[in-house]
Amino acid sequence: EAGVAQSPRYKIIEKRQSVAFWCNPISGHATLYWYQQILGQGPKLLIQFQNNGVVDDSQLPKDRFSAERLKGVDSTLKIQPAKLEDSAVYLCASSPGTSGRVNEQFFGPGTRLTVL
Amino acid sequence: AQSVTQLGSHVSVSEGALVLLRCNYSSSVPPYLFWYVQYPNQGLQLLLKYTSAATLVKGINGFEAEFKKSETSFHLTKPSAHMSDAAEYFCAANTGTASKLTFGTGTRLQVTL
Repeated sequence: EAGVAQSPRYKIIEKRQSVAFWCNPISGHATLYWYQQILGQGPKLLIQFQNNGVVDDSQLPKDRFSAERLKGVDSTLKIQPAKLEDSAVYLCASSPGTSGRVNEQFFGPGTRLTVL
Repeated sequence: AQSVTQLGSHVSVSEGALVLLRCNYSSSVPPYLFWYVQYPNQGLQLLLKYTSAATLVKGINGFEAEFKKSETSFHLTKPSAHMSDAAEYFCAANTGTASKLTFGTGTRLQVTL
């Protein structure tokens, strides 16, 4: 079974530029998550999708971050314009089922963003 | 609000020694608890999870963790460290009806010869 795919793996941009990340979850997984992991910290949930609907985006900086999940499968996360403090690893995860606390989340390898 | 605290950002053990990584949680409702491992330049991999069944949970790679409600702890242990265990370990909790996880800040495990 293929895992969660993310691209690109690395991205370097200058502040005020735009950037987009792509995630392809495990086939059949209904729930998709985007996390931000700043160096030295644990992952922080940015947004959670259930199929193509948003379940939780309370910690997404909506003035600059946006995300969508196309047809309930792939997802893109965009930052426009980027700030220095956005430098982090952006992790995508997916889980099976429609809800439930015990659902294991499967993580992709992440995209390391450096904002100069 | 729930929170997860991992004591010790860096832990160093000798190969063959006991591994003990500490995790404490704060929650007003019974939590589900998880330990994840992250190898360099990789995503997180689930080691084990506690979901209110047995308090002693066994996971992959010889790791286990014990849920202690009285101490609000879920420490991760392994009897004998191996060089391949060197990685970053994250404790996470879920106390809501959805599957949202709150992560601790992580503990980097170093294994020396």
